[in-house]
Amino acid sequence: AQSVAQPEDQVNVAEGNPLTVKCTYSVSGNPYLFWYVQYPNRGLQFLLKYITGDNLVKGSYGFEAEFNKSQTSFHLKKPSALVSDSALYFCAVRAFSGSARQLTFGSGTQLTVLP
Amino acid sequence: EAGVTQFPSHSVIEKGQTVTLRCDPISGHDNLYWYRRVMGKEIKFLLHFVKESKQDESGMPNNRFLAERTGGTYSTLKVQPAELEDSGVYFCASSRSNEGVGGYTFGSGTRLTVV
Repeated sequence: AQSVAQPEDQVNVAEGNPLTVKCTYSVSGNPYLFWYVQYPNRGLQFLLKYITGDNLVKGSYGFEAEFNKSQTSFHLKKPSALVSDSALYFCAVRAFSGSARQLTFGSGTQLTVLP
Repeated sequence: EAGVTQFPSHSVIEKGQTVTLRCDPISGHDNLYWYRRVMGKEIKFLLHFVKESKQDESGMPNNRFLAERTGGTYSTLKVQPAELEDSGVYFCASSRSNEGVGGYTFGSGTRLTVV
């Protein structure tokens, strides 16, 4: 069975500072990894994904994430946070093989960027 | 293109009543998924339609939940009778048949409150 852990329910960071939202995963075989963001009263929006290739993935709004196979992690990062980045962030995984298409999500991390 | 539309956006019902949630996927998207987030926990997969057929319903919690997708267009998710633990946010997502990986578009969700 696959699983995702987001160890921090809440992350606070000052505007202009770098931010990190942590994610670790467990899956049989190679993973597909995703980050989604949910702004208030909006749906889940895709940020970025890792399939294969370069371990550093760049996505929307200046976000990036680094795939670390040995640590089974896929932390989300941004060099300089904006107040508008405040939202709920979800990490998700899907197994590389097999017919199942569904994503397994973490419990979410509420990011608050303080002005 | 129009996004994935879900309605109602909010629903408050009493325990024992019936509620029907609706999802209109993006036109031409054969894949339709239902997920839900209960009490601030992780987003969990419920089921997956390919056109009008249920491809995977392994995430459906019990037989009080019934999903349909007649004609392969919009989908409904009925909860009958609703219980307190069914409260949460129900998300719908859709994708093309040749989506690649992670090509889902999510709706804004329906927030269900059972009192």
